[in-house]
This record gives sequence, C-alpha cells and structure tokens, in this order.
Amino acid sequence: EGQLVESGGGLVQPGGSLRLSCAASGFSVNWNYMNWVRQVPGKGLEWVSVIRIAGDTHYTDSVKGRFIISRDNSKDTLYLQMNNLRADDTAVYYCTRSMNYHDSSGFETNDAFDIWGLGTMVTVS
Amino acid sequence: QSVLTQPPSVSAAPGQKVTISCSGSRSNIGSNYVSWYQQRPGTTPKLLIYENRKRPSGIRDRFSGSTSGTSATLGITGLQTGDEADYYCGTWDFSLTPVYVFGTGTKVTVL
Repeated sequence: EGQLVESGGGLVQPGGSLRLSCAASGFSVNWNYMNWVRQVPGKGLEWVSVIRIAGDTHYTDSVKGRFIISRDNSKDTLYLQMNNLRADDTAVYYCTRSMNYHDSSGFETNDAFDIWGLGTMVTVS
Repeated sequence: QSVLTQPPSVSAAPGQKVTISCSGSRSNIGSNYVSWYQQRPGTTPKLLIYENRKRPSGIRDRFSGSTSGTSATLGITGLQTGDEADYYCGTWDFSLTPVYVFGTGTKVTVL
C-alpha cells in the first residue's frame, strides 16, 4: 500500500507564490495519474489538477495560467507550483493517486483516487 | 466546469438503509466510471466505490454503488454510527479537456 506526504503549505500574501510537494512511497508517480485536490475547511472537494502517465497536464479553470503541476520521477515526488495566489485559493491541498487498473472489459483505467495524503493548508491573506 | 449534484443530507436510524444520489450529465457520469468517497470529520477522504459498483479491499459490502444513465447512487445498509460522514461522488469529464468533477457532498447522520 502506498503513501503520500504533502509539504510546503503556509501563509502567503495575495499575489504571492508557493510550491507544494508530495512525496510518494510504495509506488512510482510516473506510472499513475497524480492529482491535486483542494478543500476549503467545512466545504466540499474540488479537483485542481492532474498529470497523466504520458506527462500531459490539465487544470480546473480557476487555476489555469497560475498553477503548474509537475513530477520528479527520480524522487517520486509530485509538485504544484502556485503563482499569483488569491484569497479563494485558501484551502487544504491534498495529493492523490488515481488508481490504475483494468476494468471489467479489460481496458486500462485511471480514475478513482485510491491514495490520499493528509493534506497541507494554504492560506492566502 | 460542471459539478455533480447530491442531496445536502440524509439520515436514518442505526441498522437502517440510506441511499445517496449523484446527478450528472452525459459527458461525465454518462460516459465514465463513478467513484464514491467517504470523509469522516477531521480525516482524509477514503475511496469506497470505484468502477460504479466495485469495492476496494477492506470496504464492507454494506456499501454498494450503481449507475443509470447520467445518475449514480450509493447505498449504505446496516447503518452504524461510524458511517456518519460526508460522502462524495466523483468521475472524469472529458467534454473539453479532462477534468475530474466531484459531487456537492452529502452529510449522512445516524439518528
């Protein structure tokens, strides 16, 4: 069973930058879709970004052009570079792995988030 | 970007059954597998259901999932106090660029 440990959160002023890190153990970040999900305390889950096995990256609309997801395969670490931060980016940020499996038809699938880190709090104020 | 719609809350007595609905569209639930997550207070979300109805190792068969068209349903039977939590559905949406959409979340209360 794998594990994810986030770091890098903290307090930052509006317009500032932060880089979150997520160290994986028990599996390789380059063999799974890896995601960032955030949650405002007391509110629901919001998907932020994914880096897929091929290396392509995708983002939710509100962070496009400001956040960059990346990975270091040699360190099995996922990153989220967050620039031009806004107050509404304040949230707990979770690193998650999309489970890689073969579905009932035998197709390789990467969807369900089966491993979650404990999260790191980002406060923009 | 779209969000999946869930009822804000459901409740039932211990031992009873609850169902949680998750409404989406053809581009998400109608085209991709649905997962369900449980988040107990103060904890990290936990995967309960994947591929619409399958349970990861260690998840009891009291939890079940199903889909029909553009909707999904989570069922919990034999309700226990430990089931009090927020539940979220989720799936990919590939209508434009790939995005993962979560449901609005449902609070389950054991009366």
